[in-house]
Order: sequence, then C-alpha cells, then structure tokens
Amino acid sequence: DVKVTQSSRYLVKRTGEKVFLECVQDMDHENMFWYRQDPGLGLRLIYFSYDVKMKEKGDIPEGYSVSREKKERFSLILESASTNQTSMYLCASSHRDVANQPQHFGDGTRLSIL
Amino acid sequence: AQSVTQLDSQVPVFEEAPVELRCNYSSSVSVYLFWYVQYPNQGLQLLLKYLSGSTLVKGINGFEAEFNKSQTSFHLRKPSVHISDTAEYFCAVRGWTSYDKVIFGPGTSLSVIP
Repeated sequence: DVKVTQSSRYLVKRTGEKVFLECVQDMDHENMFWYRQDPGLGLRLIYFSYDVKMKEKGDIPEGYSVSREKKERFSLILESASTNQTSMYLCASSHRDVANQPQHFGDGTRLSIL
Repeated sequence: AQSVTQLDSQVPVFEEAPVELRCNYSSSVSVYLFWYVQYPNQGLQLLLKYLSGSTLVKGINGFEAEFNKSQTSFHLRKPSVHISDTAEYFCAVRGWTSYDKVIFGPGTSLSVIP
C-alpha cells in the first residue's frame, strides 16, 4: 500500500522563522507535489518535482522553496514565515509515466504562524 | 489548460437520502477524471476515476459517477448516504500526457444529517 508520510500533523511557528515541512513516500514515485488547502479555495499547487533535484513552480510559489535531494523525500521551505501562510499543507506523489494513475496524499500538516 | 467547477460548496442531506455532487470541467485536450474524498483531519483519498470506456464508473463506499462528454460533466452520486459519508469531496482532472498537472476543483462539503 502506498504510503506518503508528512513529518508533522500540527506545527506552530512564529513570524519570520524559517520553517521546514518534510514529506516521504515509499512507492518509488517520480512525481511529488506540495499543495496548500484553504477553505473555499480548494487545493492550490505550490511546487512540484518530476525527479531528483528537479523542481517546478506551481500556481502560488511566492514565499516558498523546495528541496528534492533524494527520490523519496520532498521538502517544503518557508523562508520567512508570515501569518498569511497559516494553512493546511498537503504532500502528494504519483508515477510520472503513468498519467492515468491518481496522486497519493499524506495526511497533511496544519501549520499556524503566530 | 484545464479547469474544474464544483457549483455547490456545501450540500446538506438527510441520512439514507440520495445525493448528487456536481462537477463540470473545461479542457482543450482529452482528460482523465477523478473524485477524491477528504475526511476530517486527513489527506485526500481516491474515490473513483474515469479513464476511458464505460461512462458510468463505480467507486468505493457505494459511490458512482457518470462521465458526460457533451456536457463536460462528471457528477458524483450515491443512492443512500450514511453519516460516515460526511466529508469534503474534490473533483479533479488531468490531461493525458505524463507531465500534465492535476487540477482540483474547490471542493464540496457534504454534511449528512441524522
């Protein structure tokens, strides 16, 4: 069974801190994604990666960066956290070469910036 | 580019009543279609998917969806809902090529009333 694990379920940080959100998948998926989820806005793509050391901007990359040093791990970085980055963050993964397969999601990290 | 519309942001329904959650999409290319469900404090999990072939697709937990190409719709239905169906439901589309992103709708919150 596919497992996507996000390191924290709940996280509280202060404005200006550098914040790391970690995601690990165990299915050898090439693609990995970071979304944020806000009420009424659904899922918005922040960044994604098709392979190790590759990254592509999604729809709302401002204020975020990512790192993919190993195939199974995809990190989201908030360089200087701000209160408008309080949100639910979801990581997902999928096979690159099998377009008809769905994404598999982690349980999410609920991040609060004070 | 693709887009997804879910016209109903909230749908209350009594237990054992039927329900339909609406999804319309737009795309200039052929797409795969998905419905995901998100239970409280969890990530998204796949409910069902349409790839090709029969336009009526059956998923988990008694849900089904019908693909209508002429109306560009993919509505989700269940003949009799249960309290445990209370969740957020997301419709999603993806183009046929390997590098196409998944586009999610804004979600519909289904509340089952006892």
